Amino acid sequence: QQQVKQSPQSLIVQKGGISIINCAYENTAFDYFPWYQQFPGKGPALLIAIRPDVSEKKEGRFTISFNKSAKQFSLHIMDSQPGDSATYFCAAGSSGTYKYIFGTGTRLKVLA
Amino acid sequence: DVKVTQSSRYLVKRTGEKVFLECVQDMDHENMFWYRQDPGLGLRLIYFSYDVKMKEKGDIPEGYSVSREKKERFSLILESASTNQTSMYLCASSLNLAGTGELFFGEGSRLTVL
Repeated sequence: QQQVKQSPQSLIVQKGGISIINCAYENTAFDYFPWYQQFPGKGPALLIAIRPDVSEKKEGRFTISFNKSAKQFSLHIMDSQPGDSATYFCAAGSSGTYKYIFGTGTRLKVLA
Repeated sequence: DVKVTQSSRYLVKRTGEKVFLECVQDMDHENMFWYRQDPGLGLRLIYFSYDVKMKEKGDIPEGYSVSREKKERFSLILESASTNQTSMYLCASSLNLAGTGELFFGEGSRLTVL
């Protein structure tokens, strides 16, 4: 029940295309859903986050879509660029705890 | 900007050696974490600390211990390193509980145990 399932494991997209990464969770106590971006040789950094009271959040080319009833959320990267090539992690957290639960990561490669 | 500094970026140790991984954060955060990152397994929590001298086990604490003597410093200790502990280790800090704030990560310490 503490897992966050992430797919796909890897993704190759052409420049200008849309990248979509999906995550699913079980624990309804989760109330914070961030996405982290990690470049090679660097630590993960927060990209965008959403709370379950909204169904979508957009920041520039990055959008989180959230489906509370299905317990799923996804990251959409519009107009994908080679500079977006990185590993993306979804995560879930609960206000009642200190722990974040991370997905297994998606390695995105955007072809020039 | 918050900075989380992991002093050792790359380490090579032999089986049975004691290993110390050090982490320092400069933003007065209450909470500090040690994660292990392995391909296909994501980030798995080893230990975390919500106050000085306070610690709690994460999901994979076996073979590890931690120390937090000062608020800004959180150390991960491998008492007797084994080859299956070869991995990337990430330290992180946060100001608030998991549902209310951001985790800030260091750049990682890549440990190889021969």
